[in-house]
Amino acid sequence: GQQVMQIPQYQHVQEGEDFTTYCNSSTTLSNIQWYKQRPGGHPVFLIQLVKSGEVKKQKRLTFQFGEAKKNSSLHITATQTTDVGTYFCAGSNTGNQFYFGTGTSLTVIP
Amino acid sequence: EPEVTQTPSHQVTQMGQEVILRCVPISNHLYFYWYRQILGQKVEFLVSFYNNEISEKSEIFDDQFSVERPDGSNFTLKIRSTKLEDSAMYFCASGTRSSYNEQFFGPGTRLTVL
Repeated sequence: GQQVMQIPQYQHVQEGEDFTTYCNSSTTLSNIQWYKQRPGGHPVFLIQLVKSGEVKKQKRLTFQFGEAKKNSSLHITATQTTDVGTYFCAGSNTGNQFYFGTGTSLTVIP
Repeated sequence: EPEVTQTPSHQVTQMGQEVILRCVPISNHLYFYWYRQILGQKVEFLVSFYNNEISEKSEIFDDQFSVERPDGSNFTLKIRSTKLEDSAMYFCASGTRSSYNEQFFGPGTRLTVL
């Protein structure tokens, strides 16, 4: 079945350093979403990417969808302690069923 | 700001018992979802629901699971005969299925099966 893997599983960074998480799907996706989940919280939608090679920015966050639509990345520039949480990608082929990645847990050390 | 609500926040049940988890999606949303997350693991898709019927379901969503939108506001997940491995956080989500396709998640119900 569909598998979506993320690396790394855990990342510890000093505040101010950059952070990147990578998402890889076993199959081609129609779209990919990114979510952030704070400890003890629920997933919160960040963005959706649809087009091959698409790049979107939200302040310090940059999202990219691969040309083959099988991989994606999230890059955070100059991390802050408020960035702490687990970042999940979620891919879909149909728009009705989303396969969440394994998640990357980010710890920011002040 | 409108939000998805879920009740109860925590449900403890004995193995073999039936549980119903309740969700109130955002009022103008048309697409509804149930996910589960075993502690420390990834979020797993269970089912999507639109126009009073299931759109898609995962392998996890077997005959023990059912969903219903009984009254136009609530969206429920029923587990007929709970197993120990059903212990997890269950999230409801809703969306408008606009081109933005954002899903709004509720706070979750923690189900503990003893």
